Amino acid sequence: NAGVTQTPKFQVLKTGQSMTLQCAQDMNHNSMYWYRQDPGMGLRLIYYSASEGTTDKGEVPNGYNVSRLNKREFSLRLESAAPSQTSVYFCASSKTGFEGQPQHFGDGTRLSIL
Amino acid sequence: AQSVTQPDIHITVSEGASLELRCNYSYGATPYLFWYVQSPGQGLQLLLKYFSGDTLVQGIKGFEAEFKRSQSSFNLRKPSVHWSDAAEYFCAVGDGDKLIFGTGTRLQVFP
Repeated sequence: NAGVTQTPKFQVLKTGQSMTLQCAQDMNHNSMYWYRQDPGMGLRLIYYSASEGTTDKGEVPNGYNVSRLNKREFSLRLESAAPSQTSVYFCASSKTGFEGQPQHFGDGTRLSIL
Repeated sequence: AQSVTQPDIHITVSEGASLELRCNYSYGATPYLFWYVQSPGQGLQLLLKYFSGDTLVQGIKGFEAEFKRSQSSFNLRKPSVHWSDAAEYFCAVGDGDKLIFGTGTRLQVFP
């Protein structure tokens, strides 16, 4: 029972390179989320998908795109990486988007952009 | 807009001492509140949640939290801290189909 799986765990990119972060959940959850975590700023929502086939912007969407490939998978793409996107990225899922539902998190992808 | 404030960036306690981590929220209606813990290099793990009813909620690892509507607070407590509790703790409030997180409190435990 893996829960939420993120790949890769670590990545170093050069400025301008592109990259896709992968996320998959095996809990049959409807909603999925991408966050970035930076020191002193907590978790900030990048994009989310309330259900299969829908995606919406969060607090900090600029420079990112997402794809909800199917119910299990939700990917985050950096088209042209910038040093400001150096961060730890977390994927999460919840049963539904209802505000009372807790979210389950993956272990994160640590991304450095030089 | 909904918001969560964790006023303490860093707290240090001795092992065996009691702990209280503060969380204040801003929300128009009855909030859905959560506490998460993040160990180094790990994702976030749910400690406990408050939806309604009893204002004192019990969670995993011996933690509890008390919802006080009059103070807009949801403070996390533990009567006796263990060295393994050293981690970062996040308070969050449900906002529609999203969560709004506080900036976190880092807990250091001395032997």
